[in-house]
Amino acid sequence: NSKVIQTPRYLVKGQGQKAKMRCIPEKGHPVVFWYQQNKNNEFKFLINFQNQEVLQQIDMTEKRFSAECPSNSPCSLEIQSSEAGDSALYLCASSLLGGAETLYFGSGTRLTVL
Amino acid sequence: QQKVQQSPESLIVPEGGMASLNCTSSDRNVDYFWWYRQHSGKSPKMLMSIFSNGEKEEGRFTVHLNKASLHTSLHIRDSQPSDSALYLCAASPGGNYKPTFGKGTSLVVHP
Repeated sequence: NSKVIQTPRYLVKGQGQKAKMRCIPEKGHPVVFWYQQNKNNEFKFLINFQNQEVLQQIDMTEKRFSAECPSNSPCSLEIQSSEAGDSALYLCASSLLGGAETLYFGSGTRLTVL
Repeated sequence: QQKVQQSPESLIVPEGGMASLNCTSSDRNVDYFWWYRQHSGKSPKMLMSIFSNGEKEEGRFTVHLNKASLHTSLHIRDSQPSDSALYLCAASPGGNYKPTFGKGTSLVVHP
């Protein structure tokens, strides 16, 4: 069973609504990644953190997406104004280091924007 | 932007057969490759990693890496219906660079 905990498992929102999902990384893993997997199984990197600091993020994230990993609290990814194209599986993963280590994924949050 | 190309997109093999999957990175700085397996409705789980030229075998699974061509391949012998899944290749230069994933190969093993 995955030790990366993501909630909620399913999220249904109307267009323009906020959508927020959370992730608790595996204990001892300081690096957290968010990926979006669309219906064609394409993985799109969104953002990653080391402890509370952003390491990398894509332009899309800077506009409608926001994310944080506060100390002693779950990490979160929030879409300010959901669009139909945001419907996807949002996967959180954690690792011991950044790009040289295996990623451990949570079960994902399946977002449907109506 | 780094791309990871996987082939074939889909593959059907009979139970007991051999499945061969391919992956190539376009980034000359890539040093690390992984193969993840994602069963339907589940999250990806790392299957094998390879960071050095050559071959690595774990049970029915063998992975090859040619760093000069940035090509890795995964071979599954004696395929089982439970191997039916999406196989994702990921590559990274290491450091703080995030792994980039390919679109995957959908494998179906029919009894």
